[in-house]
Amino acid sequence: DQQVKQNSPSLRVQEGRISILNCDYTNSMFDYFLWYKKYPAEGPTFLISISSIKDKNEDGRFTVFLNKSAKHLSLHIVPSQPGDSAVYFCAASANFGNEKLTFGTGTRLTIIP
Amino acid sequence: ETGVTQSPTHLIKTRGQQVTLRCSSQSGHNTVSWYQQALGQGPQFIFQYYREEENGRGNFPPRFSGLQFPNYSSELNVNALELDDSALYLCASNPAAYNEQFFGPGTRLTVL
Repeated sequence: DQQVKQNSPSLRVQEGRISILNCDYTNSMFDYFLWYKKYPAEGPTFLISISSIKDKNEDGRFTVFLNKSAKHLSLHIVPSQPGDSAVYFCAASANFGNEKLTFGTGTRLTIIP
Repeated sequence: ETGVTQSPTHLIKTRGQQVTLRCSSQSGHNTVSWYQQALGQGPQFIFQYYREEENGRGNFPPRFSGLQFPNYSSELNVNALELDDSALYLCASNPAAYNEQFFGPGTRLTVL
């Protein structure tokens, strides 16, 4: 039972353009959502998060949008840079993050120079 | 400030053996979680420790066990290794009541 889904295994975006990564979830108990970035041979690095009481959170080039009624969130990266090429994981938790993280399967983002 | 560290980096074992993986939490973090990441998958939660007590467990059999020490470092033990245990094992730590978990680089376990 995949409670967090990232339906696009890969995404290629031109440098300077917007990258949009999508994530869907099925568990209504999830109330905190996170995005992690992972380079090869490294652990996941925390990128940005959002609680269910918000619908948008912004941090520099990164913005996360949450649509609770659709159980959908997205990560926008503007403008995309070559260093953004990595695997991006969406994760969710209940109890505002004080529990286990449930991860999606990841989206490999490649930024084309 | 030192981040989360894990040892060893790589490990090769044979079926039926036992393995111990180690994790040093980031300074000031009293909660540690372990995850298994199989090839092409996202990390799967194994268990979490808070102040040396297990604080939640995922869908893993009892042959996966853990410990957290007074200095908040941690161990993951796996008995009777199976081929499907081949994966990247990730440790993550966070201060109590803090929403984000911070991951180490992982230990790549190969079971032959």
